[in-house]
Amino acid sequence: GIQVEQSPPDLILQEGANSTLRCNFSDSVNNLQWFHQNPWGQLINLFYIPSGTKQNGRLSATTVATERYSLLYISSSQTTDSGVYFCAVVNAGGTSYGKLTFGQGTILTVHP
Amino acid sequence: DGGITQSPKYLFRKEGQNVTLSCEQNLNHDAMYWYRQDPGQGLRLIYYSQIVNDFQKGDIAEGYSVSREKKESFPLTVTSAQKNPTAFYLCATEEGHGSPLHFGNGTRLTVT
Repeated sequence: GIQVEQSPPDLILQEGANSTLRCNFSDSVNNLQWFHQNPWGQLINLFYIPSGTKQNGRLSATTVATERYSLLYISSSQTTDSGVYFCAVVNAGGTSYGKLTFGQGTILTVHP
Repeated sequence: DGGITQSPKYLFRKEGQNVTLSCEQNLNHDAMYWYRQDPGQGLRLIYYSQIVNDFQKGDIAEGYSVSREKKESFPLTVTSAQKNPTAFYLCATEEGHGSPLHFGNGTRLTVT
């Protein structure tokens, strides 16, 4: 099946710093989503972005499908950004768009 | 208000007992999914259902069973055949093809 690799595995920032999280995938995809899991386990969908660029406040994401990677940018980080960020994909040609394969996640810790 | 409700939040069972986790949604979404998360890991797909009275196995279906008798409900039974049932279980819904996945708050199951 498709492989999803996220980097870095851990990231520690001071409040106000910017960061870039990366997601590499091993095959073509027709669905790519970024999620944030807070310390209580709640998973929030950040972006649905199989290709192109999207922005939502301090967060933005870019997927370059032809080169098989996606980037999540966090600007002016806040302590509430702490948690685990997951990238998840569906292999192109798959029959179900929600049948996501998840990466192992990037653990982000933002210190005040 | 609209959303995905998983209950209970915490569940404790003795080894050898079957246990059923509830997932209810009032979003009118067609597709529903069950994922399992182990500590420090990404999510893995257990079962999914795209329409009522139909469901498909995911990547780790052994030891689990589901039903989809109503659009709103997709309960997951963890049977005694599941070798390592202790985990965090997450239910998700999807409005349709090409739309983001949304998660409930999860159920933490501990089997001793």
